[in-house]
Amino acid sequence: NAGVTQTPKFQVLKTGQSMTLQCAQDMNHEYMSWYRQDPGMGLRLIHYSVGAGITDQGEVPNGYNVSRSTTEDFPLRLLSAAPSQTSVYFCASGRGQGSYEQYFGPGTRLTVT
Amino acid sequence: SQQGEEDPQALSIQEGENATMNCSYKTSINNLQWYRQNSGRGLVHLILIRSNEREKHSGRLRVTLDTSKKSSSLLITASRAADTASYFCATANSGGSNYKLTFGKGTLLTVNP
Repeated sequence: NAGVTQTPKFQVLKTGQSMTLQCAQDMNHEYMSWYRQDPGMGLRLIHYSVGAGITDQGEVPNGYNVSRSTTEDFPLRLLSAAPSQTSVYFCASGRGQGSYEQYFGPGTRLTVT
Repeated sequence: SQQGEEDPQALSIQEGENATMNCSYKTSINNLQWYRQNSGRGLVHLILIRSNEREKHSGRLRVTLDTSKKSSSLLITASRAADTASYFCATANSGGSNYKLTFGKGTLLTVNP
């Protein structure tokens, strides 16, 4: 199994541009989520999904959209990038069904200029 | 907002010594998890302790939970240079989803050979 994969690894955007960060998992996990990590901070939850077709907001959802049309994929869309969205983005998945540990991808480092 | 706060922020020890990190949180929880993050990598799940448990062991890891003090500790025994990483506690709050985790800012552990 590849686990949780994220693309791209690095991205530079100009203010106002839009883009989609990709996340995929091949473990048939029910739960998927997106976090951002800023320097010296822990992770903050952006959006999460408990199954295909079901998404909900986390702690810092503004400026981001998600959808989950399949179990495997959970893309994160930045609608109009701002410098405040410069961060490292992590996708995670969890089996669900009473198992709460989460498996993290390697991250995408995004810089907005 | 950060739920968990780790203490100390940074810890430097010699190989073979024990390392203890603490986590305090503010609201009632369903479970508390510890994760490790090596520099530039994603997070790796270490151990989960439920709110009705007081202590758990996994290999060289020992986690305690004191819900009356809203605190947890992670003990790594006989540390190795490979244990050098940041360690984060994450809580799933009571009344919420067990999959919505709130992370602390982490403890940076350096194990010197």
